[in-house]
Amino acid sequence: ETGVTQTPRHLVMGMTNKKSLKCEQHLGHNAMYWYKQSAKKPLELMFVYSLEERVENNSVPSRFSPECPNSSHLFLHLHTLQPEDSALYLCASSPTGPRHYGYTFGSGTRLTVV
Amino acid sequence: EDKVVQSPLSLVVHEGDTVTLNCSYEVTNFRSLLWYKQEKKAPTFLFMLTSSGIEKKSGRLSSILDKKELFSILNITATQTGDSAVYLCAGGKAAGNKLTFGGGTRVLVKP
Repeated sequence: ETGVTQTPRHLVMGMTNKKSLKCEQHLGHNAMYWYKQSAKKPLELMFVYSLEERVENNSVPSRFSPECPNSSHLFLHLHTLQPEDSALYLCASSPTGPRHYGYTFGSGTRLTVV
Repeated sequence: EDKVVQSPLSLVVHEGDTVTLNCSYEVTNFRSLLWYKQEKKAPTFLFMLTSSGIEKKSGRLSSILDKKELFSILNITATQTGDSAVYLCAGGKAAGNKLTFGGGTRVLVKP
């Protein structure tokens, strides 16, 4: 375990379903991230939360809705997804500060939209 | 727009071989270059490089950054089957926490 826990590990959902991905970290980090990893594509940044405030939203469709209730928890709410949204969704966390720090990643949620 | 490009896309080697992975970057307000290893799901941190020309080593892995030519290399010597993975490089900025990732290099080490 890396210290960043994602649930569920696997998710299959229909295009009309609503589901949520959960990420939890107990590393004392103040920044959390959602990345999408599709086959044969680089990791794509979706959202960044720093000190529980959303600081980046990379033109992600509104069918993806993040929520960060506190610095230890991050959610990604999903509704009316498309088959092309099938991917590995990775959560990461890092300290904040004037220097850049590497991320600690979770194991991801493998999402399949049918 | 920031960009990180890795080469080769994939390679197959035999145990004991040495591999060199390349990463070039174009990142505004660049601060750091990071390498990760991704075996199944969670990428795990290998190195963070901020200074040009200073090699970082961890066992059989080493990496160096060239900030003038905007690239980094990751070397793996005496490869083992456990080195089989996707290796990701990412560029970090001086401010904020955003990392821009390359597409990765898939390494397969055959016995």
